[in-house]
Amino acid sequence: KNEVEQSPQNLTAQEGEFITINCSYSVGISALHWLQQHPGGGIVSLFMLSSGKKKHGRLIATINIQEKHSSLHITASHPRDSAVYICAVRSNKLIFGTGTRLQVFP
Amino acid sequence: EAGVAQSPRYKIIEKRQSVAFWCNPISGHATLYWYQQILGQGPKLLIQFQNNGVVDDSQLPKDRFSAERLKGVDSTLKIQPAKLEDSAVYLCASSLGGGGVGPYTGELFFGEGSRLTVL
Repeated sequence: KNEVEQSPQNLTAQEGEFITINCSYSVGISALHWLQQHPGGGIVSLFMLSSGKKKHGRLIATINIQEKHSSLHITASHPRDSAVYICAVRSNKLIFGTGTRLQVFP
Repeated sequence: EAGVAQSPRYKIIEKRQSVAFWCNPISGHATLYWYQQILGQGPKLLIQFQNNGVVDDSQLPKDRFSAERLKGVDSTLKIQPAKLEDSAVYLCASSLGGGGVGPYTGELFFGEGSRLTVL
């Protein structure tokens, strides 16, 4: 079993929908990253959080340390949000999930 | 602020040939990472440098992969000889600190990656 599990693996949505991507982990961590990777492109860091909630534009990330769970929410989704979203946790090293592939259709 | 620079963006070689990738991190970033990302998978850490010292190279296939960061700034990753299974994107990332504690020093900045195809 992977130390970092993401769900769903693939997600399609219509423009304007509210989207949630989940990340569960089984190790003790000091921080959790949400990353965005566009096809053929590099990776962009969206959030790094160790507790509570962070918001940036239409993106919201939450983490529950006790439950070892984090969620990434996208409000009013747009086709340009189509990308792979990766959860990574920092324990003694950075451990990556396999990503959630999101496609938003107009 | 300039981002993490990597080159080349794309490289196609035959198996048993050698290849080198270069990374220049964001100025002042002490920590530099090389990751291997095989299609459909998450990135896998190959090596982590703190300044010019190696912090973690436990997943680096040392019989064929080598990396250096001689002056604590830019870094090169070499594969010699390459195998078919080395086809992947090689990502370089940097952060101001390496401990991961605190909301600022641990934030990661990634380069665009170097896509390697081994035929």
